[in-house]
Amino acid sequence: EPEVTQTPSHQVTQMGQEVILRCVPISNHLYFYWYRQILGQKVEFLVSFYNNEISEKSEIFDDQFSVERPDGSNFTLKIRSTKLEDSAMYFCASSAKLAGGPQETQYFGPGTRLLVL
Amino acid sequence: AQTVTQSQPEMSVQEAETVTLSCTYDTSESNYYLFWYKQPPSRQMILVIRQEAYKQQNATENRFSVNFQKAAKSFSLKISDSQLGDTAMYFCAKQVVYQGGKLIFGQGTELSVKP
Repeated sequence: EPEVTQTPSHQVTQMGQEVILRCVPISNHLYFYWYRQILGQKVEFLVSFYNNEISEKSEIFDDQFSVERPDGSNFTLKIRSTKLEDSAMYFCASSAKLAGGPQETQYFGPGTRLLVL
Repeated sequence: AQTVTQSQPEMSVQEAETVTLSCTYDTSESNYYLFWYKQPPSRQMILVIRQEAYKQQNATENRFSVNFQKAAKSFSLKISDSQLGDTAMYFCAKQVVYQGGKLIFGQGTELSVKP
């Protein structure tokens, strides 16, 4: 069964450093998402991406964040200068698009656990 | 603001028994989807069940079923014949149907199934 994959599974970085989180969505999916979950809290939407551009972004997704689909398979989230409060689990998700209709169910990757020291 | 509320932070159930998790939500849209996701200790997000708001029939997936009350904006999850592997955090989520529609999650309910 196709699945969303994410690398790395864990990342430890120093405050102020740049990190890139990588995702490989399910191959025929057209919508891509990033969410984050601070430990013990609910899952929060960061950004959605469709047709090579951002569809929607949350207030969390400020200028420190960027997303890119550098090739036909990868979808990346970059945090330019990490802060302590960026420590969280980051989930990538993808969904297909119904013909002539809206997006389908979102399937999540296993997450990247980011720790900023 | 769109919100999803799960009022039960923790619940427990005996193995083989039935348990119901509650969820309510705000919405001004007529067309939306509702989901329950399961998050075991590994923290993977696993889809449990999905309900389209325009469908009156409640969704079922094996031991999992929902009670969708559109007028009351309520969407509860019933787990029948609970198994130890059902122990997890359960998140209710809403998705507005438009291009790029994001998921809005509730705070989660931590379910423990006891032997």
